[in-house]
Amino acid sequence: DVKVTQSSRYLVKRTGEKVFLECVQDMDHENMFWYRQDPGLGLRLIYFSYDVKMKEKGDIPEGYSVSREKKERFSLILESASTNQTSMYLCASSFGPLEFQQYFGPGTRLTVT
Amino acid sequence: KQEVTQIPAALSVPEGENLVLNCSFTDSAIYNLQWFRQDPGKGLTSLLLIQSSQREQTSGRLNASLDKSSGRSTLYIAASQPGDSATYLCAVVGAQKLVFGQGTRLTINP
Repeated sequence: DVKVTQSSRYLVKRTGEKVFLECVQDMDHENMFWYRQDPGLGLRLIYFSYDVKMKEKGDIPEGYSVSREKKERFSLILESASTNQTSMYLCASSFGPLEFQQYFGPGTRLTVT
Repeated sequence: KQEVTQIPAALSVPEGENLVLNCSFTDSAIYNLQWFRQDPGKGLTSLLLIQSSQREQTSGRLNASLDKSSGRSTLYIAASQPGDSATYLCAVVGAQKLVFGQGTRLTINP
């Protein structure tokens, strides 16, 4: 079974803090993705990566950056957290390009106060 | 711009009923369509993936259909059970992006 893990289920941070969300997959997948999920807005793509050290902006990259130093790990970074970044963050991975099945992690509920 | 709509937003039915969830999309140029399940506060579980060249996919009590020309997909759940209660999301892949619907929150009453 594919396993996608995220470093924290719940996280509370203060405004202005630098926040790291970590995602690890164990199936040697090429592609990894970060989404945020908000009531009424659904899931929106923040960034994705199709190879180590490669990244592409999604629909809402502002205020975020990413890092992929190893194939199995994809990090989402909030350089200076703001209250409007309070959300559920979901990581996913897939073997191939976007047309392949995506496998999701359990999510991180981030609250910025 | 691709838009994905799921109607109804919420559905409540008695246990044992067969039911259909609907998904519509505006741009028929898609690679595939996926159905996911999400339990409260949890991540997404992939249920079915239909390639653009396929008409339907089946897994156990679930059957998903795809009609690209009309921009519609349905998820049929047979003999519903309380454990089927969850939010069901459809997502379409096209132009290098996965676009999600808002989901249908399904409640199966014992």
